[in-house]
Amino acid sequence: QSVLTQPPSVSGAPRQRVTISCSGSSSNIGSSSVNWYQQLPGKAPKLIIYYDDLLPSGVSDRFSGSKSGTSASLAISELQSEDEADYFCAAWDGSLNGQVLFGGGTKLTVL
Amino acid sequence: QVQLQESGPGLVKPSQTLSLTCTVSGGSISSGRHYWSWIRQPAGKGLEWIGRVFTSGSTNYNPSLKSRVTMSLDTAENQFSLKMTSVTAADTAVYFCARGSGMATIYFWGQGVLVTVSS
Repeated sequence: QSVLTQPPSVSGAPRQRVTISCSGSSSNIGSSSVNWYQQLPGKAPKLIIYYDDLLPSGVSDRFSGSKSGTSASLAISELQSEDEADYFCAAWDGSLNGQVLFGGGTKLTVL
Repeated sequence: QVQLQESGPGLVKPSQTLSLTCTVSGGSISSGRHYWSWIRQPAGKGLEWIGRVFTSGSTNYNPSLKSRVTMSLDTAENQFSLKMTSVTAADTAVYFCARGSGMATIYFWGQGVLVTVSS
């Protein structure tokens, strides 16, 4: 069971907007920046949001991130079939000598 | 553009040591404010951070794996490695090597290598 909690699945129709939540605590999200990764089937994860709300070069601006307190969210607007993937949040946790924590992952289905 | 490629045995016997190497191209492993990480993913499950090694050689490990894990750099070969002792079936996973910076931002990933622990 992951310390960063994500919903197992979300879905949306093409052109709709969906959000994926990531809930943590004061030792991780509450005191560290959040990163989001997209993983297509059979592929390595890809960074899509870093430092809570920044887009890496080449990532569509349909993706956006936000954080408030000990929770973070990933929003995907104008859903496309190619967005169907697993999404993971991640943050540094300062307890127990420190470690990177990943959320359990959220499967996005485009209806 | 940095590229990473994992290599190592795809099958390891229980109680033995898992050894993986990550070869880095497109940049020096010993320069820049980066660190080099290992992350794994059991089939159908989420990602688990194993640890990281900085260009200085210092390391951080997942507390749940710390007693079994060692990471190191080989600057001459531009590679870094993972050794995990006393493996069990629970260590069966795809293992990714990666480059990160900041506290937890992984910018570049290898394609991953499947390691199966079985007799």
